Amino acid sequence: QQQVKQSPQSLIVQKGGISIINCAYENTAFDYFPWYQQFPGKGPALLIAIRPDVSEKKEGRFTISFNKSAKQFSLHIMDSQPGDSATYFCAARQGGSEKLVFGKGTKLTVNP
Amino acid sequence: EPEVTQTPSHQVTQMGQEVILRCVPISNHLYFYWYRQILGQKVEFLVSFYNNEISEKSEIFDDQFSVERPDGSNFTLKIRSTKLEDSAMYFCAGRQGTSYEQYFGPGTRLTVT
Repeated sequence: QQQVKQSPQSLIVQKGGISIINCAYENTAFDYFPWYQQFPGKGPALLIAIRPDVSEKKEGRFTISFNKSAKQFSLHIMDSQPGDSATYFCAARQGGSEKLVFGKGTKLTVNP
Repeated sequence: EPEVTQTPSHQVTQMGQEVILRCVPISNHLYFYWYRQILGQKVEFLVSFYNNEISEKSEIFDDQFSVERPDGSNFTLKIRSTKLEDSAMYFCAGRQGTSYEQYFGPGTRLTVT
C-alpha cells in the first residue's frame, strides 16, 4: 500500500529523444507526487511535482502526466540531453503524513 | 539560491561508536527531515521534525537514533551505537510551511567498519 513502483530500472535514449519514466501506486490517500533527479554522489534535487487534481504539468522540457483512475504518473523529458543523464526517482506523499515514499529509481543515460 | 548544507561529507566510524551528522537547513524552512539511501537503493524516510519535536518516524528510526535542533539553525542526527548496516548516505531535507516541496542536502556518506 505504501509502495511506489517505478519502471524501467534503466533507460538509454539518444540525444534529442523523449525519455519516459513511469510510476504506479496503490494508496489513494497519496496527494502529492514529486520527481527528483540525482547525480552520482549528490542529493536528490526536486525537478517537478504534481497534485492529483491536475492531469499534466509542464516545466521546460519536463512534463508530468497524471492518471488518477489508473493510479499512475509519468515523467517525460523532451529533447533529452547528455546532461540529463542521472537517476530519477518518483515519490509520493500521503495526506496527513510528512514522509515521502520513493520509487526504486531509473538510471537514465542519454547518448550524444 | 539558498541550499541545505550537511557536514561532514564523509564519516568513517567503527561499529559501536556514536556519530553525529549535521545539517544546516534553509533559513525559512519549518519542517525538517532525515532520509537515508543505502548504496544503489531507494531513498528511505527516517524522521520528520517540526516545532522542536518529532512529528513522524519510520520503523528504521529506533532507539539508537535521535534528532535535535540545538540552536535554531543546526539540525542533527545522532546514531548512538553504529552497526555495519547503518552504512549509507544520509540526507537532510526541509520544507516551508506553505508548500509540500522538500529540498535535500548533498548528503553525508557514513561508512561503518
